[in-house]
Parts: sequence; C-alpha cells; structure tokens
Amino acid sequence: ETGVTQTPRHLVMGMTNKKSLKCEQHLGHNAMYWYKQSAKKPLELMFVYNFKEQTENNSVPSRFSPECPNSSHLFLHLHTLQPEDSALYLCASSPGQGPNTEAFFGQGTRLTVV
Amino acid sequence: DAKTTQPTSMDCAEGRAANLPCNHSTISGNEYVYWYRQIHSQGPQYIIHGLKNNETNEMASLIITEDRKSSTLILPHATLRDTAVYYCIVRVVASYGKLTFGQGTILTVHP
Repeated sequence: ETGVTQTPRHLVMGMTNKKSLKCEQHLGHNAMYWYKQSAKKPLELMFVYNFKEQTENNSVPSRFSPECPNSSHLFLHLHTLQPEDSALYLCASSPGQGPNTEAFFGQGTRLTVV
Repeated sequence: DAKTTQPTSMDCAEGRAANLPCNHSTISGNEYVYWYRQIHSQGPQYIIHGLKNNETNEMASLIITEDRKSSTLILPHATLRDTAVYYCIVRVVASYGKLTFGQGTILTVHP
C-alpha cells in the first residue's frame, strides 16, 4: 500500500462513452501526476499538477481532460476515446521540489476501449 | 534529463545478489540517479536514489562510479518476489517527482 489509491482498477468503455478515473492521496503531497503505460512501451508522463495547478501537459489529446480540485484528488476525464488509448493509467504523487521527492504510485487503472 | 542505458533482461538465482547496471554517461552535476521497479501490472515502486555517494537502505544498495557515468543497483539476497522491471532514471532535482522512464531491465529471479 503506497498511500495513493486509484479507482476503478479496471474499466471497459465504448468509444462514445464518457468516464472518469479517480486518484486520491492523503500523504500531504503537493504534486500529482498522470502516466500512461501502453503494452510493451515505457511509462509516459501525461500531466503534472503542483498545488492544484497544471504545470505540464505532454501534448496529450483533448479527449483526456484532467482535473485537480484539491491537492489530494486528481481526476482524468475520458471521452470519445480510441481503441489505441487502451492502457494502464497510473497516478502518482510526490512532496514537491528537492532530491528527496520520490514519487509514490497507485496501482493503476487498466482501461480497455472497445 | 540525461538518458540512461540498461540491459534488456537479466537472470538471478534466488538467494544470490542481483547486480543491475545502468549507464548514464551524459549525467549533469545537478542530476540524481533514481531506481524504481515495477512488478507485473502494478504501479512502479521507489527503491533508492543517490547523487555521488554510495547509498544503502532496507531494500537495496546503490553504487555510483566516481565519474558518475554509471551506477549499479544491488539486491543483496534476491527472492522470487524481486522479479520485476527495474528502471534507472536520472533527473534534475528541481523537476519535482516527474520521472522519465526508459525500457528498464527485466529481472527474473529463479529458484
């Protein structure tokens, strides 16, 4: 148990559906992240939030819409996805700047787009 | 962040030490070396990090060469549960917890 909880763990959705992934941490961390891991590929950073403000968007398509209402919660809203968006979506959090800012990851949401 | 090079896969016998190498020849003075691992279909787990001195914690030891161009992660007594993908990551201190993952090394510990 890392202190970062993601729900749901598994999600199957059609291309016309709208769904949301949820991430929650009560570690007192100020930074939260979304990563995507497609089959046979390295983890890719999608979004970074610091103190609820988005500080990085790595050219992610607009069909992925993040939301960070407070420092403890992070959402990823999904709409009109494509089958190639099927992947493991991982949330992480970290304390902030400095060398001792290791990231803690959730267990991920396994998303399948049909 | 500096690029890292790791072997694609390694094997280790249970109970023996696992030594995982990583090359980071373009590392800058303000970049740390981090190691994470990912057990199948789970989120990555932090192992250890260091700047230039060798480091040890309850999970592993990190040996960084004097020129900082390479490092070795040592799992002193590997168990079957240590089978995972191990990632060596170099990152600037001020980049928060943002991590750039490569392909990593698939470590298989066998009985």
